[in-house]
Amino acid sequence: AQSVTQPDIHITVSEGASLELRCNYSYGATPYLFWYVQSPGQGLQLLLKYFSGDTLVQGIKGFEAEFKRSQSSFNLRKPSVHWSDAAEYFCAVGAQGAQKLVFGQGTRLTINP
Amino acid sequence: KAGVTQTPRYLIKTRGQQVTLSCSPISGHRSVSWYQQTPGQGLQFLFEYFSETQRNKGNFPGRFSGRQFSNSRSEMNVSTLELGDSALYLCASRKSDTEAFFGQGTRLTVV
Repeated sequence: AQSVTQPDIHITVSEGASLELRCNYSYGATPYLFWYVQSPGQGLQLLLKYFSGDTLVQGIKGFEAEFKRSQSSFNLRKPSVHWSDAAEYFCAVGAQGAQKLVFGQGTRLTINP
Repeated sequence: KAGVTQTPRYLIKTRGQQVTLSCSPISGHRSVSWYQQTPGQGLQFLFEYFSETQRNKGNFPGRFSGRQFSNSRSEMNVSTLELGDSALYLCASRKSDTEAFFGQGTRLTVV
């Protein structure tokens, strides 16, 4: 069965600092991997996706993620965070693309001014 | 291009009642999926419809049902509401086996 683990429930970083959010997945075949962001009371916005090819993928808002098959990881990174990045971040794995997404529990990001 | 539209945004219902939520996908997207988000269980897949047929179903009781119309719009119904059904219900649409785009959600409160 597919599963996604986001080990960090809550992370606090200072504005301008770098960020890395961890995601580990369990899936038998080549996974389709996604990162979504959710602001309070809002829906999910897609940050980036990995289907195949280059293991370093670029997304919106300056985010990037690296797929590491040997570690079953898909960590999200940003070199310099902005106060507007404060939100909850979800990693997801999909079977046959995005037909049925399995989400991690989310990581809440707080930005210190 | 309009995004995924969910109506209503907020609902308050009483235990035992039933509720219908609506989702209009992005134009040209034929797949619609529904997810339930709660603080305790996180985001869980309910079901997916493609060309008016349910293609995948999550592990939810039969009180949760859905349908899709010929214009790809989808509705989700929950019957005999329980307090535990209080959640944010999210709809997502896809064009094919690509990324899913989510709506703003419907916040259901059962009292």
